[in-house]
Amino acid sequence: AQKITQTQPGMFVQEKEAVTLDCTYDTSDQSYGLFWYKQPSSGEMIFLIYQGSYDEQNATEGRYSLNFQKARKSANLVISASQLGDSAMYFCAMTQVPLYSTLTFGKGTMLLVSP
Amino acid sequence: GAGVSQTPSNKVTEKGKYVELRCDPISGHTALYWYRQSLGQGPEFLIYFQGTGAADDSGLPNDRFFAVRPEGSVSTLKIQRTERGDSAVYLCASSLGRDEQFFGPGTRLTVL
Repeated sequence: AQKITQTQPGMFVQEKEAVTLDCTYDTSDQSYGLFWYKQPSSGEMIFLIYQGSYDEQNATEGRYSLNFQKARKSANLVISASQLGDSAMYFCAMTQVPLYSTLTFGKGTMLLVSP
Repeated sequence: GAGVSQTPSNKVTEKGKYVELRCDPISGHTALYWYRQSLGQGPEFLIYFQGTGAADDSGLPNDRFFAVRPEGSVSTLKIQRTERGDSAVYLCASSLGRDEQFFGPGTRLTVL
């Protein structure tokens, strides 16, 4: 079974600063994928970034980067230069690979960006 | 439309009633997923379709829940004898095989 733990219920950051959202995971699978999704108040889940367990480089997508530490089983999301529009719920999730991509989600972290 | 759509956006029903929630995936996406998101929680997997067949329904909580995808496109999640505990946001996602999942806006179900 796979498990995702997000220990930060809420985070506050000032505009233009960087913020790290924590995620740890537990799995017995050798191959897996790690995801971060953003859920604004509208409710839709928006894909941000993906990291495969065998990827040697940390994933980056624009202002988002994933700090992947396999030995620690952590996959923290780093958002650089926060913007007011980044205020939302953020979910860490994982899948089995190469099987189908059913996602197991954490409980989420609410990020609030202040001016 | 270009994205996943779900109807209705909101559904209020009374305990014991039957409800149907609809999902229109992105055209051409072969995989379709249903998740349920309770207040303050992350989404939880319910069922996964590959084409017309349910490849994995292990997340359905009990036999009151059923989903179909008869032509491999639109899917309907059906809940019989609704209970107050069924109140949640039901999310649908689709993907092209094993790629990134694209989510719809969800249906907020309230059982009174």
